[in-house]
Amino acid sequence: AQSVAQPEDQVNVAEGNPLTVKCTYSVSGNPYLFWYVQYPNRGLQFLLKYITGDNLVKGSYGFEAEFNKSQTSFHLKKPSALVSDSALYFCAVRMNSGGYQKVTFGTGTKLQVIP
Amino acid sequence: DGGITQSPKYLFRKEGQNVTLSCEQNLNHDAMYWYRQDPGQGLRLIYYSQIVNDFQKGDIAEGYSVSREKKESFPLTVTSAQKNPTAFYLCASRDLENQPQHFGDGTRLSIL
Repeated sequence: AQSVAQPEDQVNVAEGNPLTVKCTYSVSGNPYLFWYVQYPNRGLQFLLKYITGDNLVKGSYGFEAEFNKSQTSFHLKKPSALVSDSALYFCAVRMNSGGYQKVTFGTGTKLQVIP
Repeated sequence: DGGITQSPKYLFRKEGQNVTLSCEQNLNHDAMYWYRQDPGQGLRLIYYSQIVNDFQKGDIAEGYSVSREKKESFPLTVTSAQKNPTAFYLCASRDLENQPQHFGDGTRLSIL
């Protein structure tokens, strides 16, 4: 079984400050990890992924995430938050193995950037 | 532009009625998915299809049905057996196994 935990329902950060949205995962074997963003009444948009290689992954809109195998974490970060970053963020995991493997999504974290 | 189109954006269902949500993609992706999104619960998988004429149940398939007669299309029917259908429904598709899913902009279903 695989699972994803996003421990914070909401994160508030002042504009210009660094932001972190937390994600921990549980999976048998090596994971594929993803971050998505969702704006109101819209579908999810892909931000970045970890498949293999460098633990620091850079993605769209200045976001990055650090894969930490020992802590089974994949936290999303941005050095300087913008008001336009306010949205719902989802972490997702699937097992890296043969055959079909479903993707498991976290429950989402609402990011509020305060002007 | 390539993408996924879901229609309608808003849908209302009467008691005892079946309704069908449309999902069309022009990305040439083999795999397609239907998710249900409820506040605070993330996305839950209803059905998925890895190839034309084949589909499998996800975690919450009861009260739903799908078909995959064409690669581009994966319609979802919410039947009268689904007693709590009010939710935001998202369709997605994917190319290769290690690639992210592409999502449509969803259909919001409500009960009249």
